[in-house]
Amino acid sequence: DTAVSQTPKYLVTQMGNDKSIKCEQNLGHDTMYWYKQDSKKFLKIMFSYNNKELIINETVPNRFSPKSPDKAHLNLHINSLELGDSAVYFCASSATSRGGETQYFGPGTRLLVL
Amino acid sequence: GQNIDQPTEMTATEGAIVQINCTYQTSGFNGLFWYQQHAGEAPTFLSYNVLDGLEEKGRFSSFLSRSKGYSYLLLKELQMKDSASYLCAVKPGGYQKVTFGTGTKLQVIP
Repeated sequence: DTAVSQTPKYLVTQMGNDKSIKCEQNLGHDTMYWYKQDSKKFLKIMFSYNNKELIINETVPNRFSPKSPDKAHLNLHINSLELGDSAVYFCASSATSRGGETQYFGPGTRLLVL
Repeated sequence: GQNIDQPTEMTATEGAIVQINCTYQTSGFNGLFWYQQHAGEAPTFLSYNVLDGLEEKGRFSSFLSRSKGYSYLLLKELQMKDSASYLCAVKPGGYQKVTFGTGTKLQVIP
């Protein structure tokens, strides 16, 4: 019973392509997140949605566009991929966005842009 | 803004005790988390502190001093499987994002 799942697990693509990563959680959580972890292992938040509404939007290029069709899903579309986009992208969810709710992370999507 | 500092790397011996420190400066405070991340895997929750003091959970304990902006994660009876990165993360409050430190890579040696 996977709590937070992401697809694909690995993604290798050429510069300039457009790609999407999908995330689903079956925990009944209201809040979902996208994080980027670079080669130095620094985990940086990109976006957060609460009940399908965008609540956190960090300084991320507008080539990155999140979409939340319902509160159990948060997808990430990336246009015109660049070499610097190579990283591991983690989806996470928490019960709410307030207080000290634990975040549960998906397995990550390893993106390599050639 | 938020600033979180942790040592980059630590090495400890199997069976020993290790303390991983985290200092933070945030605007507001609503809790501090510790996560464990094995190489190639997702971070997993270890502990959460919002009040001063020590929280113990098996071999792992976490301490918080809000006045000092300081926390530590204590790992006892180290096992080889404890080799991982340990991420300190702070929640400033309200809808503000949780900010992660850069993590401490712990290597447990025989």
